[in-house]
Amino acid sequence: GAGVSQTPSNKVTEKGKYVELRCDPISGHTALYWYRQSLGQGPEFLIYFQGTGAADDSGLPNDRFFAVRPEGSVSTLKIQRTERGDSAVYLCASSLNAGGRETQYFGPGTRLLVL
Amino acid sequence: GENVEQHPSTLSVQEGDSAVIKCTYSDSASNYFPWYKQELGKGPQLIIDIRSNVGEKKDQRIAVTLNKTAKHFSLHITETQPEDSAVYFCAAGGGGGSNYKLTFGKGTLLTVNP
Repeated sequence: GAGVSQTPSNKVTEKGKYVELRCDPISGHTALYWYRQSLGQGPEFLIYFQGTGAADDSGLPNDRFFAVRPEGSVSTLKIQRTERGDSAVYLCASSLNAGGRETQYFGPGTRLLVL
Repeated sequence: GENVEQHPSTLSVQEGDSAVIKCTYSDSASNYFPWYKQELGKGPQLIIDIRSNVGEKKDQRIAVTLNKTAKHFSLHITETQPEDSAVYFCAAGGGGGSNYKLTFGKGTLLTVNP
């Protein structure tokens, strides 16, 4: 079946602009996660959704970052007033159920470059 | 919170040799340990995972061992092939109050030379 998909695959923007990154999880998966991966590093947790609600947004770096999942499926990560330090690969993952021992399946990521 | 250390950061082996990557974690409550393979320009792909009720798990040429007492786990790849070349990440999850959150190591760049 189809895996996690993310659009766009690449995004180049200018400092100060607003960007939206989209994630389509695996059909039927109730849990959705966003991670950020800087060059040469492992993914770092940003936010976790169980259904429509953000159960944990403790990984979001500051209030310029926000994510939604209004219908419990597709999620959008929104970044306001982008800064050069926001440049990274933004990864989305989904799992069938919530819980710490559930397998998380990752999408290909969106490579964000802020000039 | 959880902290995961991964070694080595780079590993070069000859085709057919074995490769071993080791990780340690800090949160004794963690009970889920996946390994991901990431090729250039792609997202991480799960290759094997282990849960804390077992000490070892094998899937063809790949095996993972877990020592909960010492809080370390390892990935073993036997009979390596050039297509095994990639960055490998270990992760730990299931611990503490945020049991859904995976904490990743910094990755190991594995190069398999033909």
